Amino acid sequence: SQTIHQWPATLVQPVGSPLSLECTVEGTSNPNLYWYRQAAGRGLQLLFYSIGIDQISSEVPQNLSASRPQDRQFILSSKKLLLSDSGFYLCAWRPGKWAGGDSPLHFGNGTRLTVT
Amino acid sequence: AQKVTQAQTEISVVEKEDVTLDCVYETRDTTYYLFWYKQPPSGELVFLIRRNSFDEQNEISGRYSWNFQKSTSSFNFTITASQVVDSAVYFCALSAPQGYSTLTFGKGTMLLVSP
Repeated sequence: SQTIHQWPATLVQPVGSPLSLECTVEGTSNPNLYWYRQAAGRGLQLLFYSIGIDQISSEVPQNLSASRPQDRQFILSSKKLLLSDSGFYLCAWRPGKWAGGDSPLHFGNGTRLTVT
Repeated sequence: AQKVTQAQTEISVVEKEDVTLDCVYETRDTTYYLFWYKQPPSGELVFLIRRNSFDEQNEISGRYSWNFQKSTSSFNFTITASQVVDSAVYFCALSAPQGYSTLTFGKGTMLLVSP
């Protein structure tokens, strides 16, 4: 069966420090991968999605970036964190592009980031 | 463009009451998919149900039921005899038919069930 791992679970970082959140998926190949952020207002904001290695689309311009160095690995990064980057970050996957849009997203347990 | 509206920000009920969470969507696709997710206080998002646009049959799973009405672009979720464990944020989401599509989420409805 497929599983998704996301770490760390919680993170407290000072303003201006770098960020690296990692997500890996097991038990599937060529997944579509996603990074969402959930701020205090509770809504889910899509940050990045990827349909393949080095194929990453950005939904929101900001000081975050994403990379997909391997098929089942998705990394969210920042060179310098802002206070507004605080939130709950969720990684998700669904079957690759040859699957239909009926496949649900499967989420990791999330990373709670506090920028101080 | 796709849009999902969950007009109810927060609902409070007492245990054993029935509660309906509303979801209204907008899309230009003739084929699309609708989803409901539950987010308990622990934070993870749990997939509850998927519905195809061409299948308007309502679905019941235990205390949960879903009413899909294409004519009103709604996909409402009813919990019968609510329990404290149902307390969570519930999200409705919409997907285009392509596998590479992203999911568009509503802003969520926080359900508080008190004993």
